Amino acid sequence: DGGITQSPKYLFRKEGQNVTLSCEQNLNHDAMYWYRQDPGQGLRLIYYSQIVNDFQKGDIAEGYSVSREKKESFPLTVTSAQKNPTAFYLCASSIVGLDTGELFFGEGSRLTVL
Amino acid sequence: AQSVTQLDSQVPVFEEAPVELRCNYSSSVSVYLFWYVQYPNQGLQLLLKYLSGSTLVESINGFEAEFNKSQTSFHLRKPSVHISDTAEYFCAAVFAGNMLTFGGGTRLMVKP
Repeated sequence: DGGITQSPKYLFRKEGQNVTLSCEQNLNHDAMYWYRQDPGQGLRLIYYSQIVNDFQKGDIAEGYSVSREKKESFPLTVTSAQKNPTAFYLCASSIVGLDTGELFFGEGSRLTVL
Repeated sequence: AQSVTQLDSQVPVFEEAPVELRCNYSSSVSVYLFWYVQYPNQGLQLLLKYLSGSTLVESINGFEAEFNKSQTSFHLRKPSVHISDTAEYFCAAVFAGNMLTFGGGTRLMVKP
């Protein structure tokens, strides 16, 4: 089955530690995205990538980093510089850019900072 | 800045009753509109979309939404809800080729 796989589903981290969230897709999509979801705030775009070895900052990129070394993979690192990292993180992909608006989402990773 | 507003954060409704989830967007020459659904602890799934053509769009599970340009709205409706419709619903828009913008979400709670 084609889809997007995020791991881990749940993650706990101590303050001051970096953590990396994995996102893999086998849909052969060019574009991939990371969103952060907080209650009542909808989804906010962290980073996106439309081609391998290239990515752009979204609305809330501070304290996060990404890489896109392979078409299938778009890992997100939550660094110790992110002041409020506890959230639900969603990875998505699409066939082309966001102009069509149809995104395919993974099941999310819930990060809790202790 | 372009924005999408979902007027209700929560909508409680009894099973088999009709429901309307409201969505308004900031005016734009060009806009594509979407509704996504999120079941608990899952990612989002596309429910329906308006790109062009008929202003009334339908999903396979009985939801429909109507693009109203004069009122800049894209409300989601279902004539009779089921318990399984309990989820969070997100309205989203693409304005003139820019990035997808999400509303804050509406939690639909269907009670028996």
